[in-house]
Amino acid sequence: DAGVTQSPTHLIKTRGQHVTLRCSPISGHKSVSWYQQVLGQGPQFIFQYYEKEERGRGNFPDRFSARQFPNYSSELNVNALLLGDSALYLCASSTGDTTYEQYFGPGTRLTVT
Amino acid sequence: RKEVEQDPGPFNVPEGATVAFNCTYSNSASQSFFWYRQDCRKEPKLLMSVYSSGNEDGRFTAQLNRASQYISLLIRDSKLSDSATYLCVVNPWTTDKLIFGTGTRLQVFP
Repeated sequence: DAGVTQSPTHLIKTRGQHVTLRCSPISGHKSVSWYQQVLGQGPQFIFQYYEKEERGRGNFPDRFSARQFPNYSSELNVNALLLGDSALYLCASSTGDTTYEQYFGPGTRLTVT
Repeated sequence: RKEVEQDPGPFNVPEGATVAFNCTYSNSASQSFFWYRQDCRKEPKLLMSVYSSGNEDGRFTAQLNRASQYISLLIRDSKLSDSATYLCVVNPWTTDKLIFGTGTRLQVFP
């Protein structure tokens, strides 16, 4: 079975630019969550979507936005990039039920110069 | 106080050793608990969920103490392949987000 897929794997952007990251969940999973992981830290929650509706939002500025499509894939958008946005962006997939077990994709490594 | 706290390590142990990691969480209403494993520059992988009664999966045993808000992971007969960062993860009540500790690094040497 295919796991969570993310694209692109690596990305280099300049300050002030915009970026879109993409994620496809495990087949049958209806919930997608986004996390940011900076070096030496655990992942930090950004958003969760379930059945195309936002279910949760972490403590991130409005420059970060996301959406989920009818096929349950998702996009994370970041506007006006800052150097501090450089991180590994992880997408996690889950069934959306109360087990809360989430399975992560390989991530997109974003470097902002 | 951090929501999830772990000793960052590193823990350097020989093959065959038994090693234990501990984790504390601040939200007493938390309902779900997990251990994830993360290899260098890779994504976190779910190692095991942690249940109130404790649970075991091969060489790995997880325990939960709700009264002390404490979670543990015991690895017996350590293998070289166990070298990784182990992340303690908590899911607060009524939310779907996972809250991660900073991770504990384990290095198993021959």
